[in-house]
Order: sequence, then C-alpha cells, then structure tokens
Amino acid sequence: DAGVIQSPRHEVTEMGQEVTLRCKPISGHDYLFWYRQTMMRGLELLIYFNNNVPIDDSGMPEDRFSAKMPNASFSTLKIQPSEPRDSAVYFCASSSSGQGLGETQYFGPGTRLLVL
Amino acid sequence: AQTVTQSQPEMSVQEAETVTLSCTYDTSESDYYLFWYKQPPSRQMILVIRQEAYKQQNATENRFSVNFQKAAKSFSLKISDSQLGDAAMYFCAYRTNNYGQNFVFGPGTRLSVLP
Repeated sequence: DAGVIQSPRHEVTEMGQEVTLRCKPISGHDYLFWYRQTMMRGLELLIYFNNNVPIDDSGMPEDRFSAKMPNASFSTLKIQPSEPRDSAVYFCASSSSGQGLGETQYFGPGTRLLVL
Repeated sequence: AQTVTQSQPEMSVQEAETVTLSCTYDTSESDYYLFWYKQPPSRQMILVIRQEAYKQQNATENRFSVNFQKAAKSFSLKISDSQLGDAAMYFCAYRTNNYGQNFVFGPGTRLSVLP
C-alpha cells in the first residue's frame, strides 16, 4: 500500500489567497483526520470523518477553514482567505475501525504551508 | 477531557546507550490505547509502538519498549542501543475506546543522539 498521500508537499501563497490541501487515505480505511502542527500549539486535530461524514469539527479554527470528503478515497482542506497565522504543517491521517490493532492512525507526509 | 503530558522537552543520549522518555496522561476512562509516534526531521509521523490499556504486558518492538503503569497513568518509552537514526521528536498519544477515534497528543520530546 502506498500509505496516506498528501499534496502538495509544500505550498507558498500570499495572504488572502485560497489554499486547497488534498489527501488520499489508505484504501479500506474508514476514518480520516486533519491535523495542524505549529511550534506554538503543537499537533492539533482540526476535523475528522467517518465513512465520509464529518464527525467532529470542533478543532477547525474559524469559518475560513472548511473540509470535505466527497468519497472514501479523497478529502480536501480549504483555507479561504488565507492568513500568515495559518502557516503550519498540515497532516492527514487515516485509520480503520475494523483494524483490530487499536485503530492506529497512519499519517501522510504533511503539507508545509507558508502564507506570506 | 483527556490530557497528555510529556515533561521532558529535550533529551539526549549517547549512541548505543539506553534512554527513557516520560509520558503521563489524565483520563477517567478504563479502556483506551496509548501510542508513541516518532517525527524525524522529514516531519513524517511514524508509529513506534502501541499499548492497549487492558493488557498488563508491556509492548515491545525490537529496541523499543514501554513501561505502562495504568494506576499511575504513566506510559514511558525506553529506547535501547540508541542509534543516530533515532534522533527525532517523540510524541505520546492517547485514544479512548469509548467514542470516536480522535487522538490526544502530548507536546513532544526532542531526542538527540550523540555519536
């Protein structure tokens, strides 16, 4: 299996622009998570989905952030408009409820976002 | 709400020596899972080891082992025969088994391995 795939790996944009981050979970996994990592706040859960349905979005910082999962193999995290304080590494992770292994989360390589 | 604490922001160990990273957590649940993830400079989050709370036996994965003390809510990671490639940030994580699948991560410990 290719693991969790994220794109782009790096994104540099200007304040006010729309940013879309993409994630392809591991095939067969029914949970998908979006995290943000910064030096100040560490690793924060933004939102997670089960069977393509958002379950908990309480970590989404504000209305500028939105996430979708149109099907089992694809999710997006969108920031519109972007601000310099959104600069961070964004991780996508997936897990399987039927895994029988403590539902370990497997992480993608992350997208490093820099908003100028 | 559950919390995870890692009291050592930074640690260092000599190559081939043993080091222990500390983790404590706070929960009222009895059924949960604990994890250690490694994040090298590449930023990739890599699962190191996991422990089910209902198991008394400490998990072991090659040079990595844990000391799980459920009553004390402690979950330390021991790295034996440390190698240069072990240098990374290490995150302790907790997941309840009662609802959802969201993790709670600790702030991390940066481990340096000295040649």
